[in-house]
Amino acid sequence: GENVEQHPSTLSVQEGDSAVIKCTYSDSASNYFPWYKQELGKRPQLIIDIRSNVGEKKDQRIAVTLNKTAKHFSLHITETQPEDSAVYFCAASEGNNRLAFGKGNQVVVIP
Amino acid sequence: SAVISQKPSRDICQRGTSLTIQCQVDSQVTMMFWYRQQPGQSLTLIATANQGSEATYESGFVIDKFPISRPNLTFSTLTVSNMSPEDSSIYLCSVVSSTHSSSYEQYFGPGTRLTVT
Repeated sequence: GENVEQHPSTLSVQEGDSAVIKCTYSDSASNYFPWYKQELGKRPQLIIDIRSNVGEKKDQRIAVTLNKTAKHFSLHITETQPEDSAVYFCAASEGNNRLAFGKGNQVVVIP
Repeated sequence: SAVISQKPSRDICQRGTSLTIQCQVDSQVTMMFWYRQQPGQSLTLIATANQGSEATYESGFVIDKFPISRPNLTFSTLTVSNMSPEDSSIYLCSVVSSTHSSSYEQYFGPGTRLTVT
């Protein structure tokens, strides 16, 4: 099955700086790559996703890039704010509408 | 997106007992899934809840331990049977609401925090 890895496990950034989280996947058949944000005690929330026919997608301060050849995709957060502090999970699609999740990245935005 | 609710939101149970968790959606959805999230860990898929038929379980999860029902397109239950402290976790349902078979967008319920003593 699909194997998704995330790096780094923890990322600390100064408020206003950018944060980048990278994920790699193993199955070249995967064609959908979402990112979820999970605040402490809350449910995971879908914040952005990308499909394999697109190289980049932006939504205000967040963007996702996909490199199908290298089998990796990244989440970019610009002008970070304290409310961006959370655990971020990447995922890759498997068959039958399933998702394989990475282990998560703890992002800490230092005011 | 669909509004998803879960009951109970949390529970403390004795080992050896069973707990049934409900997941209710305010609109019909094509796919429903059950996940487990242990403290500080990622999301592990338990099974796909199939409407009107047996659930499809992932490796390491069996029907005797985690029986699942999905009687219609808006409701599913997960039972955690014969519980042990190792079952202490957050259990989340998720749904795919699009009618397009190629859609993978999953939305999560609020979760059920289970503690087994």
